[in-house]
Amino acid sequence: AQSVSQHNHHVILSEAASLELGCNYSYGGTVNLFWYVQYPGQHLQLLLKYFSGDPLVKGIKGFEAEFIKSKFSFNLRKPSVQWSDTAEYFCAVNDKAAGNKLTFGGGTRVLVKP
Amino acid sequence: DVKVTQSSRYLVKRTGEKVFLECVQDMDHENMFWYRQDPGLGLRLIYFSYDVKMKEKGDIPEGYSVSREKKERFSLILESASTNQTSMYLCASSGTRFSDTQYFGPGTRLTVL
Repeated sequence: AQSVSQHNHHVILSEAASLELGCNYSYGGTVNLFWYVQYPGQHLQLLLKYFSGDPLVKGIKGFEAEFIKSKFSFNLRKPSVQWSDTAEYFCAVNDKAAGNKLTFGGGTRVLVKP
Repeated sequence: DVKVTQSSRYLVKRTGEKVFLECVQDMDHENMFWYRQDPGLGLRLIYFSYDVKMKEKGDIPEGYSVSREKKERFSLILESASTNQTSMYLCASSGTRFSDTQYFGPGTRLTVL
């Protein structure tokens, strides 16, 4: 069965700092990869996704992620965070063998201090 | 815009009660999902459905059942609620293509006393 690991449970940083959140998955076949974000009091929403083509994916709000197949990784980055990026971030993987079922990582809570 | 709605944002029930959580989507999606979200564990799939009257167990189906009588509606049922089912419950829907995104509802925070 697929498993997804997010290395950091909590991240605290100051505004304008750079952010990188790690995500590794276990399945070696064809995958789709997602980052979802949950802002305080809001529902889970899609930040970006990769399903084919350029392994560097750009999403909303200045986020990007890089798919490195050889490392089974899909790390999320933002060069300069804002206070409004305070949220919980979830990596998710959908492997072809599982159809449309998503497997989520445990989430990373990010706190950006003003 | 895809809209997934859930019947309650907050729910408090007593141990042993039967609990119904309702989810409705307005995008004519074939696939619907129920997850529970717990701190540090992320989202875990309880049940999903690819079509009306069809259901499949997810990773943690014990203590739950589901019903899908209409395409737009997917219900999660706790036959006899227990305190370890206190959690945030999220519903999602998607199309059938492998690349399709899942869209989530706002969640129901259930407390079982």
